[in-house]
Amino acid sequence: KNQVEQSPQSLIILEGKNCTLQCNYTVSPFSNLRWYKQDTGRGPVSLTIMTFSENTKSNGRYTATLDADTKQSSLHITASQLSDSASYICVVSLGSYKLIFGSGTRLLVRP
Amino acid sequence: DAGVIQSPRHEVTEMGQEVTLRCKPISGHDYLFWYRQTMMRGLELLIYFNNNVPIDDSGMPEDRFSAKMPNASFSTLKIQPSEPRDSAVYFCASSHSSIEGNDGYTFGSGTRLTVV
Repeated sequence: KNQVEQSPQSLIILEGKNCTLQCNYTVSPFSNLRWYKQDTGRGPVSLTIMTFSENTKSNGRYTATLDADTKQSSLHITASQLSDSASYICVVSLGSYKLIFGSGTRLLVRP
Repeated sequence: DAGVIQSPRHEVTEMGQEVTLRCKPISGHDYLFWYRQTMMRGLELLIYFNNNVPIDDSGMPEDRFSAKMPNASFSTLKIQPSEPRDSAVYFCASSHSSIEGNDGYTFGSGTRLTVV
């Protein structure tokens, strides 16, 4: 069964601290993996997209890694800001239009 | 660019009533997707269109749901009759090519539907 599992389910950190979110997937065939940020009351916004041949990709303070062998990905947030408070969703593409969404990690950054 | 525009932002309706959700994709995008998001099931694809033609509606939960795209700039998702279990946030998204390797997949802000 194609699944995307994320951990932790929720996370609270202090402003300025770093954090890492995890994503494990059992999806085949694998086309690409995306990380989305979803603010409360808004639609998801793409942060990074990686194909199986890419190990890491950065977008500002966000860095995503991918290990296609172990089927694991992580999203590292550096020097967190209050505006980073959101849900972060890991999405794996099977190919064509088919996307498998994780349930997300809710991040709260406190001052 | 105003992005993907959805209306209404919030909808509260009584069970049994017809509900119509609207979406205006980004100009030039040839793919349009309807998603539903709930706490229990996360984001689920309901249906998607390519060049205004429905390609796959296998995610539509039942016959009470229907979607149309009469032209490249407008799509509707209709629920008739609505039921409390339809309560969710419905997202529309558009893309200017197939999803593969393309990061131009843009979501709207969603319509929060509450059926009482």
